[in-house]
Amino acid sequence: TQLLEQSPQFLSIQEGENLTVYCNSSSVFSSLQWYRQEPGEGPVLLVTVVTGGEVKKLKRLTFQFGDARKDSSLHITAAQPGDTGLYLCAGDQGAQKLVFGQGTRLTINP
Amino acid sequence: KAGVTQTPRYLIKTRGQQVTLSCSPISGHRSVSWYQQTPGQGLQFLFEYFSETQRNKGNFPGRFSGRQFSNSRSEMNVSTLELGDSALYLCASSATGGLGNTIYFGEGSWLTVV
Repeated sequence: TQLLEQSPQFLSIQEGENLTVYCNSSSVFSSLQWYRQEPGEGPVLLVTVVTGGEVKKLKRLTFQFGDARKDSSLHITAAQPGDTGLYLCAGDQGAQKLVFGQGTRLTINP
Repeated sequence: KAGVTQTPRYLIKTRGQQVTLSCSPISGHRSVSWYQQTPGQGLQFLFEYFSETQRNKGNFPGRFSGRQFSNSRSEMNVSTLELGDSALYLCASSATGGLGNTIYFGEGSWLTVV
């Protein structure tokens, strides 16, 4: 079974600070996705990374896929209270079977 | 276009009962999958259907079952409910379920077993 380990599990920082969330696996995934989930809602896709070494930017969010396609990171610059939420990484095994990390619960304090 | 729609949003059941949850995928999407989310285990894959056929199944007991209709709508059923089945059940859809397909999640059905 392919597993994804996400760290940290909880992160509370002040508005304006930078942060990085990590997603690691011992297995190779064909693609890796990052989701954000708010209370009472389903996960919403932020980005999909496919190519080893790929870097994608979404405003203040930067996503990187490791060269070996086993790990990924999410970096947020100048965090804002609106970034608060549960961030999930997920590896794609095909046929809509996603293997999820445990998630990082991020709190940005004003 | 409308997103993935799940019903009911909230429900409370008693141990031993059964429950059926419904999911309407995004129009044109033929792949529907189900996930269970709990605080302890996180998000776990239940099963996936494409063109009314189950293509993939997670590691859940046989009490968890599902089906897909010709219009791609899907239902999942949990029989003989246990307290541990209390969770958020999420449905997701994509065009074909193939690698690289964007997967869209519904808001989920909150099940509480008492």
